[in-house]
Amino acid sequence: SAVISQKPSRDICQRGTSLTIQCQVDSQVTMMFWYRQQPGQSLTLIATANQGSEATYESGFVIDKFPISRPNLTFSTLTVSNMSPEDSSIYLCSVEDRTDSYFFFGQGTRLTVV
Amino acid sequence: GQNIDQPTEMTATEGAIVQINCTYQTSGFNGLFWYQQHAGEAPTFLSYNVLDGLEEKGRFSSFLSRSKGYSYLLLKELQMKDSASYLCAVIKGGSYIPTFGRGTSLIVHP
Repeated sequence: SAVISQKPSRDICQRGTSLTIQCQVDSQVTMMFWYRQQPGQSLTLIATANQGSEATYESGFVIDKFPISRPNLTFSTLTVSNMSPEDSSIYLCSVEDRTDSYFFFGQGTRLTVV
Repeated sequence: GQNIDQPTEMTATEGAIVQINCTYQTSGFNGLFWYQQHAGEAPTFLSYNVLDGLEEKGRFSSFLSRSKGYSYLLLKELQMKDSASYLCAVIKGGSYIPTFGRGTSLIVHP
């Protein structure tokens, strides 16, 4: 399976600022996904990052708050904009292994907004 | 809508067997995953069921009944390192992206 590198691994940010999270895969993948895992909660899909077109956002998530870039088939970024303490969460990048039909994850970015 | 239910927490003894249940209600069904997640780490893939029956993989087995909307993960010969959160995730009809349940926190004690 591919290897996903995600950074930063953690950050503490001031409210009102923005943080960009990077996800690098060591092989080309068609789809990349961004999940959020709030404390004590499960993983919630934010959006699907499509190469060459705009990301597809899930209900409750909007582009202005979570802009996503996908410049090529191995890289994506998620920005958390105008942060508030409610954005404190773990953000995870995920890709699908088409051969074995499962999804695997980067190590995640633990974000704390103060 | 889509509901995925699993127990919040379970405890078990080292060397024992534990079964973690997952029930789901979805509009259509395209498969079910189980993932393991240790604290502070990313989820790791355990199993994928798309047909009814039991899939065995070493100490871990996963069962699916599509007619009942039910799956379980069976862990045998429990080890302390099995203490983790176990996530059930379902792919609903018309999709290929999994939706996750809240996870079951398993505590294995000596």
